[in-house]
Amino acid sequence: EPEVTQTPSHQVTQMGQEVILRCVPISNHLYFYWYRQILGQKVEFLVSFYNNEISEKSEIFDDQFSVERPDGSNFTLKIRSTKLEDSAMYFCASSYFVAEAFFGQGTRLTVV
Amino acid sequence: EDKVVQSPLSLVVHEGDTVTLNCSYEVTNFRSLLWYKQEKKAPTFLFMLTSSGIEKKSGRLSSILDKKELFSILNITATQTGDSAVYLCAGLQWAGNNRKLIWGLGTSLAVNP
Repeated sequence: EPEVTQTPSHQVTQMGQEVILRCVPISNHLYFYWYRQILGQKVEFLVSFYNNEISEKSEIFDDQFSVERPDGSNFTLKIRSTKLEDSAMYFCASSYFVAEAFFGQGTRLTVV
Repeated sequence: EDKVVQSPLSLVVHEGDTVTLNCSYEVTNFRSLLWYKQEKKAPTFLFMLTSSGIEKKSGRLSSILDKKELFSILNITATQTGDSAVYLCAGLQWAGNNRKLIWGLGTSLAVNP
């Protein structure tokens, strides 16, 4: 069964450092997403990406965040200067058309 | 403001019981309602409901959407300990090429042997 893969599974970083979270979506999918879930809270939409550009982003997705699809297979989320409140589980998802049926296993980011 | 509200927040039952999880939504440009099961990490897709009144079934799980009253229910019959998880409901908001899921907080289900 096809799956979305994310690396690393857990990353601990010092406040102010840059992190890059990596995702390999399912190969024929067209829409790509990043969501995050702070421990004990709701899953929150960050950004959607379609046709090689951001199609929508939330208010959380400020200038510290960026996404790229550098080589047609990977889909990355970069946080330029991490803050303590960026600590969360970050999920990548992809879909062909209808809805996000496929989520990666997530990257747990801990900022200390 | 778009919102999805799930109830109850937490539920503890014994194996064999039947449970009903509720999800109400207020989502602009609503397209569909999705249910996910979240165990340790990623949400795992269960159902997508787009039409009102049509029940979707998968084994012991079933779900239905009421677009007039803006709610959905997820039923699990003959529960097993493996059903223990957080069940998430999300409204799919879709306008042009902009699509995103608006999530509820989830219902934490614990099934005791």
